[in-house]
Amino acid sequence: KQEVTQIPAALSVPEGENLVLNCSFTDSAIYNLQWFRQDPGKGLTSLLLIQSSQREQTSGRLNASLDKSSGRSTLYIAASQPGDSATYLCAVRGNRGSTLGRLYFGRGTQLTVWP
Amino acid sequence: EAQVTQNPRYLITVTGKKLTVTCSQNMNHEYMSWYRQDPGLGLRQIYYSMNVEVTDKGDVPEGYKVSRKEKRNFPLILESPSPNQTSLYFCASSARTSGDPWEQYFGPGTRLTVT
Repeated sequence: KQEVTQIPAALSVPEGENLVLNCSFTDSAIYNLQWFRQDPGKGLTSLLLIQSSQREQTSGRLNASLDKSSGRSTLYIAASQPGDSATYLCAVRGNRGSTLGRLYFGRGTQLTVWP
Repeated sequence: EAQVTQNPRYLITVTGKKLTVTCSQNMNHEYMSWYRQDPGLGLRQIYYSMNVEVTDKGDVPEGYKVSRKEKRNFPLILESPSPNQTSLYFCASSARTSGDPWEQYFGPGTRLTVT
């Protein structure tokens, strides 16, 4: 069964720092990997999606990389701001059979950016 | 506007009183899922559906039922709710078409409290 792990579980940094959030998964048979943001008590907002054939995706200050063979992804946040404070979730979709309809989530990294 | 809607958004009920949480999507997606989110446990899949009349259990299906009679709707039924089903519930949908990245879209969440 796919297991997704996110490190660190929590991160507190001053404004302006560049950050790296880590995600690892145990089964490299994935279709894609998606990074989400979640504000407290709210829904999930999709940030970036990387296909299994891609190495990275960028959106504004966010850059996500994927190394499928080693089962790792990183989310890089440049010049962090207090508005970036949220929980960041990583999820992978399997690429065969019933796993195609499923996302496997990590437990998230809770990020706090203070002024 | 493409969206996944859930109702109700907030619900407080008593043990044993049957309830249904509705989920609807307007994107003609084949795949729909239900997740629950609990502190320290992350997001766990309850049930998923790969098309009309096709459903399968996720990681935590006990105590829940689903049906998929129409493509757009995927209700979650709690026949006899118990306090351990107090949680934040999310419905999600996605579609796989040629060249589609298969992005997952989430509803806004339903916060359920069972007393």
